[in-house]
Amino acid sequence: DGGITQSPKYLFRKEGQNVTLSCEQNLNHDAMYWYRQDPGQGLRLIYYSQIVNDFQKGDIAEGYSVSREKKESFPLTVTSAQKNPTAFYLCASSDRTGGVVAKNIQYFGAGTRLSVL
Amino acid sequence: DAKTTQPPSMDCAEGRAANLPCNHSTISGNEYVYWYRQIHSQGPQYIIHGLKNNETNEMASLIITEDRKSSTLILPHATLRDTAVYYCIVRDGGNKLVFGAGTILRVKS
Repeated sequence: DGGITQSPKYLFRKEGQNVTLSCEQNLNHDAMYWYRQDPGQGLRLIYYSQIVNDFQKGDIAEGYSVSREKKESFPLTVTSAQKNPTAFYLCASSDRTGGVVAKNIQYFGAGTRLSVL
Repeated sequence: DAKTTQPPSMDCAEGRAANLPCNHSTISGNEYVYWYRQIHSQGPQYIIHGLKNNETNEMASLIITEDRKSSTLILPHATLRDTAVYYCIVRDGGNKLVFGAGTILRVKS
C-alpha cells in the first residue's frame, strides 16, 4: 500500500534526552513536512523539505532538527532544547509545491504521540 | 494565523446531509480552499479542494460562493464514522497548511 508511515506510535522522552521520530513515504513525493499538534488546537508547521538535501524552518522550529538524505525519509529530532515537547507530531508529504497556483494536496501519517517522563 | 472562520461545533442526524460552513472573506484570486478532517488521535485526512467552481468527489461536495468569500462542505449522507473535526483551509502558493480550530461535527443516531 502507498502511504506515509510514522514510527513509533508512542514515544517517551527523559529530561535532557534527544529523541528521533521516523517518517517514511512511498508515494514518490518530493515535499515532506512536520507538524505539531497540541490538545484542542490545530497543526503548526515545524520544518518542511521540498527536495532531498534541502529543508526550511517552519513557524516553530526552535528545539527541533531534521535531515533529508533520502527522498522517502524525513526524520525529526526533538532535542533537549525543546522545553515543552509533549504533543502529537504529524508528518505529511505532497508533490513538489511551487508556482502561483497552489493545489498540492498534503497527505498525513498516523502520527507519533510524544510524552515526557 | 488561519484565514478562515468556522463554527466550533455542529450536530447532524445519521443519514442526513451535513452542511459545514466556512468563511474566508480575505481570500485572494489564486488561493484554493481545502477541507480536511481529523478523527480523534489520527492524522488529518484530505477530503476535497476547490478554487472557484463547485467540486464533488466520492466523499463530499464543496460549494464555493460566487464571490469566493465563503464555502460549504456537504457530506450527503452522514454516518457515525463521519464524527470528526473538520478543517477549512485557504492555501496560497506557500508550503504550509494553516489549520484553525475547525468544526467538531457530531453525527448522532
